[in-house]
Amino acid sequence: DVKVTQSSRYLVKRTGEKVFLECVQDMDHENMFWYRQDPGLGLRLIYFSYDVKMKEKGDIPEGYSVSREKKERFSLILESASTNQTSMYLCASRSLRVTRKGEQFFGPGTRLTVL
Amino acid sequence: KNQVEQSPQSLIILEGKNCTLQCNYTVSPFSNLRWYKQDTGRGPVSLTIMTFSENTKSNGRYTATLDADTKQSSLHITASQLSDSASYICVVIASADRGSTLGRLYFGRGTQLTVWP
Repeated sequence: DVKVTQSSRYLVKRTGEKVFLECVQDMDHENMFWYRQDPGLGLRLIYFSYDVKMKEKGDIPEGYSVSREKKERFSLILESASTNQTSMYLCASRSLRVTRKGEQFFGPGTRLTVL
Repeated sequence: KNQVEQSPQSLIILEGKNCTLQCNYTVSPFSNLRWYKQDTGRGPVSLTIMTFSENTKSNGRYTATLDADTKQSSLHITASQLSDSASYICVVIASADRGSTLGRLYFGRGTQLTVWP
């Protein structure tokens, strides 16, 4: 089974702190994604990566950056956390193999609270 | 504009009853459509996938339908159980774009289903 893990389930940070959210997948998937999920808004794409060292902005990249130095790991960075970044953050990975028809596998999520 | 609209926003049913969730989309060009189930505090998990040529697909008590002409999909849950309480998210995948053999995903906002005993 595909496994996507995220470094923390719950995180509390202060305004202005630098925050790292880590995501690791164990199925050699090429694509990886970071979403945030807020009540009434659904999942919104922050950044995605087609492959190692590649990254593309999603719909709401402001205030975030990412790093993908290794294929299995995709990091989301909040350079200076703000209260409006309090949210549930979900990582996902996806295989390019046609047999999987683009199924995304999600991690358990990180609930980030910025005080 | 590519959009995915789900209805109802929330739904409460009694255990053992059936229900149907709706998904309308305007995504084009269309590749496939997935229904995900998300339990509270957890990541979404795929229930079914529908490609252009498929009209109906079942996964246990879950049956998804797709009408590619009207761009509508539904998820029918039979004999609901308390464990069906979750958010159900419709995701439409567009055909391939640059840099990937797979296309962009478009998410609905989900239907929050609550099953009461």
